[in-house]
Amino acid sequence: GAGVSQSPSNKVTEKGKDVELRCDPISGHTALYWYRQSLGQGLEFLIYFQGNSAPDKSGLPSDRFSAERTGGSVSTLTIQRTQQEDSAVYLCASSLGLVGTEAFFGQGTRLTVV
Amino acid sequence: QKEVEQNSGPLSVPEGAIASLNCTYSDRGSQSFFWYRQYSGKSPELIMFIYSNGDKEDGRFTAQLNKASQYVSLLIRDSQPSDSATYLCAVNSQDSSYKLIFGSGTRLLVRP
Repeated sequence: GAGVSQSPSNKVTEKGKDVELRCDPISGHTALYWYRQSLGQGLEFLIYFQGNSAPDKSGLPSDRFSAERTGGSVSTLTIQRTQQEDSAVYLCASSLGLVGTEAFFGQGTRLTVV
Repeated sequence: QKEVEQNSGPLSVPEGAIASLNCTYSDRGSQSFFWYRQYSGKSPELIMFIYSNGDKEDGRFTAQLNKASQYVSLLIRDSQPSDSATYLCAVNSQDSSYKLIFGSGTRLLVRP
């Protein structure tokens, strides 16, 4: 596709349920990032992929969070047993994965845990 | 110590003034530097990038890089109310496996 695509755009879930967020990066982009942004706050780094491997998972806030990337393309971020504090906008970005190459962001998934 | 630091603001300037946004970074091996703009409720979008020491100009925007001081800035000339947004600084390097590291952003308000 022409840009980074994220789905769903909005998700409302009950506390304790699992959710999966999907990111479809720009074709050919080897690097993929997940960030979380709470209302009025900055970008919170979650995880970074180069190809299918994740050199940096340091931002995942707890073991309820996991992410995978298959085929060097689509990535899913899974949150198990969701909590109200997980409510935020989850942003995905992709880049060519080289020094000097910009990251392009998707429109995000707004997650609300009720 | 945060890897990329920005003053959270808000920075308030009158319309037509120059807005100066600053960013410092801790990794001396950082190689490329980006400025993103994020409007409320929207995703970040790239404004400018810079690799070499000195200034880079694009329209009303000028990025300035000083690697010795580990400092990068963004100047916005003739500020407009439509420039009101949060500005995010980002850096990457080969040492960090090319991971793009963001600052927390500076909120800019341009008063009409």
